[in-house]
Amino acid sequence: GNSVTQMEGPVTLSEEAFLTINCTYTATGYPSLFWYVQYPGEGLQLLLKATKADDKGSNKGFEATYRKETTSFHLEKGSVQVSDSAVYFCALSLDFGNEKLTFGTGTRLTIIP
Amino acid sequence: DAGVTQSPTHLIKTRGQQVTLRCSPKSGHDTVSWYQQALGQGPQFIFQYYEEEERQRGNFPDRFSGHQFPNYSSELNVNALLLGDSALYLCASSFNVEATDTQYFGPGTRLTVL
Repeated sequence: GNSVTQMEGPVTLSEEAFLTINCTYTATGYPSLFWYVQYPGEGLQLLLKATKADDKGSNKGFEATYRKETTSFHLEKGSVQVSDSAVYFCALSLDFGNEKLTFGTGTRLTIIP
Repeated sequence: DAGVTQSPTHLIKTRGQQVTLRCSPKSGHDTVSWYQQALGQGPQFIFQYYEEEERQRGNFPDRFSGHQFPNYSSELNVNALLLGDSALYLCASSFNVEATDTQYFGPGTRLTVL
């Protein structure tokens, strides 16, 4: 079956540090890959996505590249801010909105000033 | 443009009771999916509704059922509640025809079973 494995947290960084959150996946077929973010007390927000191999998704300074050869979609940001503190979920889908999302367990990120 | 809305925000029930959660999709969306997010875990897919029919179902027992109305809004019903049903229930909507779209999530309903 399809699955997503995320780097376990929690992760604590100082402001302006470099961020990497690892994500690898197992899927039948060719999935689309997503990063969602969940701020305290809120639902999930789509952060970025990539639909095919070598695509790079980017948003709000975050980036992730779809690596088919390593089945990975690692999230990176060059300089984190306190406002980036949240839980980050890696997910895959075989057909966008018409197919279920399979999520990882989430990585809690805390940025300290 | 209103996003996905869910009601109620919080709910407390006791074991054995039944509960109904409601979801209104984002304007223009016709497909609704439900997810269960246990504390500290990622969301787990329950089922998806399109054209008032259940199109896909995850690994959840028959105690979990749903409905979609002609205006695309949806309900999630859970019967014979168990302590383990305590979770955040998320609704997501999407547009079936738009192949490049993705699912947009509501804020969730926090269900506590005592």
